[in-house]
Formats: sequence, structure tokens, C-alpha cells
Amino acid sequence: GAGVSQSPSNKVTEKGKDVELRCDPISGHTALYWYRQSLGQGLEFLIYFQGNSAPDKSGLPSDRFSAERTGGSVSTLTIQRTQQEDSAVYLCASSPISLGQGAYEQYFGPGTRLTVT
Amino acid sequence: AQSVSQHNHHVILSEAASLELGCNYSYGGTVNLFWYVQYPGQHLQLLLKYFSGDPLVKGIKGFEAEFIKSKFSFNLRKPSVQWSDTAEYFCAVNPLGGSYIPTFGRGTSLIVHP
Repeated sequence: GAGVSQSPSNKVTEKGKDVELRCDPISGHTALYWYRQSLGQGLEFLIYFQGNSAPDKSGLPSDRFSAERTGGSVSTLTIQRTQQEDSAVYLCASSPISLGQGAYEQYFGPGTRLTVT
Repeated sequence: AQSVSQHNHHVILSEAASLELGCNYSYGGTVNLFWYVQYPGQHLQLLLKYFSGDPLVKGIKGFEAEFIKSKFSFNLRKPSVQWSDTAEYFCAVNPLGGSYIPTFGRGTSLIVHP
């Protein structure tokens, strides 16, 4: 079946502009995660959605970052007034979480490479 | 806060050499454990996982990992690496009873020379 898809695959933007990154999770997966991957820095957690519950935004680095998930499916990560330090690969993952069993394995998308000039 | 340590940041091996990548975590309770792999130009994918049962877990492509609770470790092993194993490897840990957000290690870059 289809995996997690993300768009665009690459985005170059000027400092100060807003950007929107999109994630289409695997159908039926209730959990959705956004991460940021910088060279040599591993995966930095940004935000987590689970079903209709309030999202866990504890990883968002500043109030310039926000995300929403519509209808329990597609998610959009928005970065306002982009800065050069926002340049990274933004990864989305979905998971078929079973409550009470802890996190299941995550299925990752190909990522969006964001370059802020 | 829990942490995950991957002590080997860069590993370079020749084909047929044995591989062991370390992963240690700081949480003392029950955990779910994962190893993910990212081949060049590809997205992250699951290599293997441990939830419960036999602490020796076998994954894809001949990889295995052993959960040693007393050492808070989940090291990844492969007896004989191939050039195609060149990739970035990430360990991830999620404690049961907490959030459903796994903590990832910084990753280990493995280069296998033919």
C-alpha cells in the first residue's frame, strides 16, 4: 500500500518568508509525528498528533512553528518568518499506535529539505 | 528526561567484518526499543524492534539486536557486513506508561568499503 508522502520534496525560501510543509500519513494510522533532521544532529521531535486528542507541541522550537492535522489525516507544518537556522530536513512519520502498549514502529516519509537563504 | 546514547558516531568497516553498534538509554522502566536505518537517498525505515519476550531480536537483512535490561542497552549486530549496509543507523526508545513519543539517538554513520 501507499506509504507516508510529503510535499514538497525540496523548498528554497528567503529569510523572513512563511513556508508550509505537507504530510499525508498512511491511511488508518492514528498517530502522526513531525521531526527535524539536521546534519549530525539526529532526529529532533517537533510535534505529535494522536487521534482527536490535543497535540503534544512540546518539541516546537519557537512560536514561529505550528502544525495542524485536519480530519485526523493530512498534516501541515507551518514555519513563519523563516530563519537560516530553520534549514533542515523535516520528516513526518505515522504509526498505528495501540493505546496502552507504548509507541509502535513509525513509518517515515521521504522528508522535505528546507533551505532558507 | 530520558536520553538515548549511540556512542559510535562514525564507523568504517571492510566487507565481511563484524558489526556492533551501541545503544544505551537512561529510562529505568519497561521500554519499547527500535533500530531504524536510513540508506543514502532513502527514507528512514524500521530495521527491528523489541517489545517483550526473547531479548534477542532478529530483523531484516541479517541484523539482530540484544536487549540487556541490566545494562540499559540494545546493541545492534551483524556478523558480516556488506557494502550495501552503508547507511545511517538510529536507535529509538519509548518508555511504556509515558508519552508515545520515542526518543532517538544521534545516529551512527556506517561506511562499508568493498
